[in-house]
Amino acid sequence: EIVMTQSPATLSVSPGERATLSCRASQSVSSNLAWYQQKPGQAPKLLIYGASTRATGIPARFSGSGSGTEFTLTISSLQSEDFAIYYCQQYNNWPQYTFGQGTKLEIK
Amino acid sequence: QVQLQQSGPGLVKPSLTLSLTCAISGDSVSSNSAAWNWIRQSPSRGLEWLGRTYYRSKWYNDYAVSVKSRITINPDTSKNQFSLQLNSLTPEDTAVYYCARNKGGSYFGYWGQGTLVTVSS
Repeated sequence: EIVMTQSPATLSVSPGERATLSCRASQSVSSNLAWYQQKPGQAPKLLIYGASTRATGIPARFSGSGSGTEFTLTISSLQSEDFAIYYCQQYNNWPQYTFGQGTKLEIK
Repeated sequence: QVQLQQSGPGLVKPSLTLSLTCAISGDSVSSNSAAWNWIRQSPSRGLEWLGRTYYRSKWYNDYAVSVKSRITINPDTSKNQFSLQLNSLTPEDTAVYYCARNKGGSYFGYWGQGTLVTVSS
């Protein structure tokens, strides 16, 4: 099983500032990495796939980078609606898909 | 636009079987490019993929090792939906269960609304 590790567990950032979230895979997943946003009481929402491609309708302030075992999700200028929990997911080793434990992005 | 609508009970007794259904609109359970998955989320286990069903000239299933002996996922082409059955429940199976669609062994672009299932007597 590929283990996905996200850091930090909680990130406190002020609105308008930049947030950088990290995800590390226990072995290479190439670029087969997705990011999701989850708000309370809702299902995860796809933000990024292929490590860097924004899903339909996702604002340009969200960007993803990385390949192999190290990945980053950057939110360039935080809006109030961006405070949520973010998860990474690998799909290189399908169908044994695995998710990270999440990073909670909170208002500073 | 693909939509997934889940239904099923929220409370199940230990040792019994969980049964959930996911109704599909905007796509077909018999699609030759989609797969239909069940994923659960709990504080202790996080997001955990459970299994999938898909059609490629015939029906296939894949299951997570952690639940392989207890899980069944079935398509229902007459109602364009698919179901999850998980037996021999314990309190550790308490979680929010989601259905989700992906294509080509990739990311999950569409999710159901989630069903909180509590295993308790």
